[in-house]
Amino acid sequence: DAGVIQSPRHEVTEMGQEVTLRCKPISGHNSLFWYRQTMMRGLELLIYFNNNVPIDDSGMPEDRFSAKMPNASFSTLKIQPSEPRDSAVYFCASSPLSSGNTIYFGEGSWLTVV
Amino acid sequence: EDQVTQSPEALRLQEGESSSLNCSYTVSGLRGLFWYRQDPGKGPEFLFTLYSAGEEKEKERLKATLTKKESFLHITAPKPEDSATYLCAVQDTGRRALTFGSGTRLQVQP
Repeated sequence: DAGVIQSPRHEVTEMGQEVTLRCKPISGHNSLFWYRQTMMRGLELLIYFNNNVPIDDSGMPEDRFSAKMPNASFSTLKIQPSEPRDSAVYFCASSPLSSGNTIYFGEGSWLTVV
Repeated sequence: EDQVTQSPEALRLQEGESSSLNCSYTVSGLRGLFWYRQDPGKGPEFLFTLYSAGEEKEKERLKATLTKKESFLHITAPKPEDSATYLCAVQDTGRRALTFGSGTRLQVQP
């Protein structure tokens, strides 16, 4: 079975540019999560969706960040404009609403803003 | 606010040298405690979920245990392929998202 699929795997962009990260959750999973990982702060929740509806976006750093889930099989995380401090690994994860609540992670999108 | 503290930050073992990793947590209501393994350049890989104090789960050389305030990941006779960062996370009864600790970097030398 295919796991959580993220794209791009690596992106290098210049400060001020728009960045869009994409995620395809595991088929049948109802919850989708965006996490950010840095050496200093570890894994931090940015936002999560249940049944395509944003439930908790308290981790979104500021208005430059936005996330959408237009349907059950696709989500985007957008940063506009990007700044060097946004450099991190961004993980998408998904979970079924039942079956023990296990959350499965993708391989991450490595973002470098120069 | 949920909090998770892992210790030690880093651990170096010789192959075959058993040890334990600690995860202390504070949560208003525990729905589950999760252990993940993360290899460099990869996403966290699920290992275990524990739901109540006294519960234990095993997988190969790993055994996870849970009390009301902490969890331990015991590694018995580790091999070099067990080298990774081990992450602990809690899920509060009030939300589905996980709160992670900062992890323990384990290196097993042959």
